[in-house]
Amino acid sequence: DIQMTQSPPSLSASVGDRVTITCRASQTINTFLNWYQQKPGRAPKLLIYAASSLQSGVPSRFSGSGSGTDFTLTISSLQPEDFATYYCQQSYSTPRTFGQGTKVEVE
Amino acid sequence: EVQLLASGGGLVQPGGSLRLSCAASGFTFRNYAMSWVRQAPGKGLEWVSGTTGGGTRTYYADSVKGRFTISRDNSKNTLYLQMNSLRAEDTALYYCAKDVEEAALMAFDIWGQGTMVTVSS
Repeated sequence: DIQMTQSPPSLSASVGDRVTITCRASQTINTFLNWYQQKPGRAPKLLIYAASSLQSGVPSRFSGSGSGTDFTLTISSLQPEDFATYYCQQSYSTPRTFGQGTKVEVE
Repeated sequence: EVQLLASGGGLVQPGGSLRLSCAASGFTFRNYAMSWVRQAPGKGLEWVSGTTGGGTRTYYADSVKGRFTISRDNSKNTLYLQMNSLRAEDTALYYCAKDVEEAALMAFDIWGQGTMVTVSS
């Protein structure tokens, strides 16, 4: 199975900050990497698919990059509604696997 | 409106069985792969199982292989998860999720609200 490792597990930030979350795969997954946002008590929401493609309706302050084993989710200017937990997920092979999550909290 | 409505969760004893359902509306169900993803209380996301649009191919996490069976009835726009030999570690909120593609499990763009499964004596 492909292991997905996110860092950091949590971070504190302020509105307006630039936030970067990284995700590393245990083997190459080309660009088969997705990012989700989850708020407490809510279902996850797809933000980025295929490493860098912005899902319809997602604000352009979210961006994704990377290929192979190393990937990044960037929020260019953190907004109040962005405080949430973020997960990466590989779609290169089954079983599909998620990272452990990165919680973005108010500083 | 595109919508997924999961149901069938509940309290079950270890070794017991449950069948989850996920009713889809607002899109052509047969054209998309579907998956079940679970989340134990206070924990992260775990993909459980997936199936292609036609239901001909199915995939499972190692943790549930041989105990869970995914299926779909495209005439009823409904996805199922038959769960047998349930264990305490299967306790979780189970989400059904629509894929962006028909023939592969690529990304989950629509999620249901989840149905809670609790395995306890």
